[in-house]
Parts: sequence; C-alpha cells; structure tokens
Amino acid sequence: GAGVSQSPSNKVTEKGKDVELRCDPISGHTALYWYRQSLGQGLEFLIYFQGNSAPDKSGLPSDRFSAERTGGSVSTLTIQRTQQEDSAVYLCASSLREGGLRTEAFFGQGTRLTVV
Amino acid sequence: SQQGEEDPQALSIQEGENATMNCSYKTSINNLQWYRQNSGRGLVHLILIRSNEREKHSGRLRVTLDTSKKSSSLLITASRAADTASYFCATVIQGAQKLVFGQGTRLTINP
Repeated sequence: GAGVSQSPSNKVTEKGKDVELRCDPISGHTALYWYRQSLGQGLEFLIYFQGNSAPDKSGLPSDRFSAERTGGSVSTLTIQRTQQEDSAVYLCASSLREGGLRTEAFFGQGTRLTVV
Repeated sequence: SQQGEEDPQALSIQEGENATMNCSYKTSINNLQWYRQNSGRGLVHLILIRSNEREKHSGRLRVTLDTSKKSSSLLITASRAADTASYFCATVIQGAQKLVFGQGTRLTINP
C-alpha cells in the first residue's frame, strides 16, 4: 500500500510535557526503526523492532524515551518530560528481511519536534 | 558513536562534473546502503551493495565496496542541479541487524 506514514508532521510542545509520535510502516514490513536527526546532523539510531523479537533499545538516550510496536505494525515513540535538547526531526523507517539480511529501508517524512 | 563516516562533509561542484563521496566504517557488515535526503526530511534509498560485491551501478550512480579497507564510495556522474542533497551511507552490522547511518555529505551542484 502507501509508504511509511508519520504523524504529526510538526509538533510544538512546552518543556516538561509528554509527547507521542506515531509511525505506520508499510504493510508486511517486519522491521521498524526510529531515528533522531538534529539540524544539519546525521541520523542517530534510537530503537529497532524486528517481528516478535525483543526490540533493540540500545540507542534510546534516556529513560524518558520509550517505544512500542503493537501487533507488529503501528509504532509509537513516547518522550516524557520533554527537554529543549529533544528538539529534532524524528524519522521512522520500515524494511523487509530477505534470507536473513536487511533490505532497503523506506522512510517516512518525519515529525519535527520543537520543545519551547 | 556512528558506524559510518562520510568524507567530505560538504562538496560543491559545477553541473556536469562528477561527484565522489566516500564512506568508512568500523566493523564487519552484511551490506552497505546509500541514501539521499532532501530538505532534512525523509530519506530515499539509492543503492545497496552486499559484502561479497565489489561494484554496483544504477543509472548515473556507481558504488564500490572495499571490505579490506572497510570503505565505500559513491560516484554520481554528469551531475545535475537536482542532485543537490545530503547523501548518507548506512551499514548493516553483522549479527546486529540494525541499520546504522553516517553523518552524511552535503552535495551542492552549481548551475
């Protein structure tokens, strides 16, 4: 079906508030990634889901960050007690896995989070 | 720390010239991928090269991989103004499965 969909496109929140970012991956894609990108920087890996396996949370910067993937499809990234340094574009991607190897990743357009 | 590092960080050339970007990585990989990003939003996959491949072509793109030097290069031939974007390499680390990106090269094609 359609590509990876992220919502909202933009989010402005006050410092200390919680935010939820949503990602709808491509149907049938078993792998789902979350990345964070600050202005002019590269992509910082946050978390990776693969099927029913335990997620790789090694990139989450603090315990204020958490993510879920329900039913192997939609994922939500939650940031609690937001700080100004959390301001960035949060990108979601999904991919297939063929023969045990990762194939190309398809990205959503991202959520631009601004903490004021 | 990031797995991949692109070089140069920024590149500015005239339209019609060839653009070469390099990527170095640290650990053994299953494959290496190149992506393009316009305007700081979603990335678009360009080309994937597996660890047992040495060179791959797609249109005006040519990618090489040297696993002994842990490096890859992306060549864009006959560049166009529309090629202006940031280009990232990404590696799938053996045993880890996650896709890890470098810092990117900002390419500017001057008309």
